[in-house]
Amino acid sequence: QSALTQPRSVSGSPGQSVTISCTGTSSDVGGYNYVSWYQQHPGKAPKLMIYDVSKRPSGVPDRFSGSKSGNTASLTISGLQAEDEADYYCYSYAGNFYVFGTGTKVTVL
Amino acid sequence: QVQLVQSGAEVKKPGASVKVSCKASGYTFTGYYMHWVRQAPGQGLEWMGWINPNSGGTNYAQKFQGRVTMTRDTSISTAYMELSRLRSDDTAVYYCARVGDCSSTSCYILDYWGQGTLVTVSS
Repeated sequence: QSALTQPRSVSGSPGQSVTISCTGTSSDVGGYNYVSWYQQHPGKAPKLMIYDVSKRPSGVPDRFSGSKSGNTASLTISGLQAEDEADYYCYSYAGNFYVFGTGTKVTVL
Repeated sequence: QVQLVQSGAEVKKPGASVKVSCKASGYTFTGYYMHWVRQAPGQGLEWMGWINPNSGGTNYAQKFQGRVTMTRDTSISTAYMELSRLRSDDTAVYYCARVGDCSSTSCYILDYWGQGTLVTVSS
């Protein structure tokens, strides 16, 4: 049950796109289409942004999108906005267990 | 509306135990699994396990096996997480989080979160 691997940080200017990767194994990310992504602002609880790899909950802007290829899932934020600056975590089902990613800090330049 | 309200901050000595509560409202408590997640200061999220409030069944992350106990009291719609033999590296914010609605979104997500409970372990 090792944490999924994410880049420590990514950055972009307002209006640009950034992509965060989340690499696991065939026992978690690669084995199930149950990857979700959470946004966390400092001092706040995480907020669900993407679920089941690519589905967006009601109320989440369509600037956020998700995908998966093999053992790696990705979150893309298009048209970056100042309020998108936060930490992002992937989360995957792993056969009755769950595992989070290491987390990525998104900085809006 | 769904709400998860957790108990207040705790300060414990190494070797002691802590029990954090999570009171649910706005939905049928026994209808949704409850997970527990922790976050050490400046660190990432760590999944600890889940409890099925209907049956009381549990599943814990390997790291916490033997030290964590998750229970519930259905009469007051409250879930509990007790961690024993505390160490300094157990200092963290502990969150309860409800799984999603299988019929509308997904069973494999955490869609409502408590406000978090800071547990500080210090001698």
